[in-house]
Amino acid sequence: LAKTTQPISMDSYEGQEVNITCSHNNIATNDYITWYQQFPSQGPRFIIQGYKTKVTNEVASLFIPADRKSSTLSLPRVSLSDTAVYYCLVGDIGTNAGKSTFGDGTTLTVKP
Amino acid sequence: SAVISQKPSRDICQRGTSLTIQCQVDSQVTMMFWYRQQPGQSLTLIATANQGSEATYESGFVIDKFPISRPNLTFSTLTVSNMSPEDSSIYLCSVEVGLYEQYFGPGTRLTVT
Repeated sequence: LAKTTQPISMDSYEGQEVNITCSHNNIATNDYITWYQQFPSQGPRFIIQGYKTKVTNEVASLFIPADRKSSTLSLPRVSLSDTAVYYCLVGDIGTNAGKSTFGDGTTLTVKP
Repeated sequence: SAVISQKPSRDICQRGTSLTIQCQVDSQVTMMFWYRQQPGQSLTLIATANQGSEATYESGFVIDKFPISRPNLTFSTLTVSNMSPEDSSIYLCSVEVGLYEQYFGPGTRLTVT
C-alpha cells in the first residue's frame, strides 16, 4: 500500500481557496486516490476520488499530475464550516477500500 | 450512499469488562470494516467483516480481544474484551459502497477507567 505524506496543518481565511497536497511517491498503477473529511466527533466523510488529471464535484476539485506521485485537493472559497481534518488515501480498486491506510491527515483551520 | 448507525454512541466501562458495539447499515453491503481512532490520532483498521465468514484482522489485533460478528448484510458487532485504559478510543464502523468509497458511522466513544 502506497504511503502518503500530507502537511500536518494549514490555516486559511474565509473566502479563500485552499489547496492541500498529498505526496504518494510509491503509487501503483492500479491505485486510486481518495480524499476524506472528518469533523470532530464524527466519522470521516468521502469528498472526492480520482485516478489522473482533474476531477471536480460540487464540493472540491482533485488535481493529479501525469506522474501521479502527488495530488492536490482544492477547496474553493472555504468557510468556517470547512475546518476539519482532511485525509488522503491511496489504494488499489481491486482490493477493498478498507485496506487503505489512513495517514496522519491535514488539520485545516479556517479563520474569519 | 449508505446511512450507518452505531450503538452505543459512548460508554464508560471498568477495566476487565467487555463492551459490544453494534453497527447497522440501511442497505445490504458486502464489506464492513472496524476502525479505532485514539484521541487526536488517525484511524487504524482493526478488521474486515464479511458476511458468512470469519473476520480478517490486521496486524496487532486479535480475535480474542476484538471478536466480531457479521450475521447478515446490514449488521455487525465488535466486542472489546477484557478492557484496559489503553482501549479508550473511538471505534468506527464503515462500509464500502461503489468504487472504493467508504461510508463511516458516527463512532462509539469508549472510556475505560
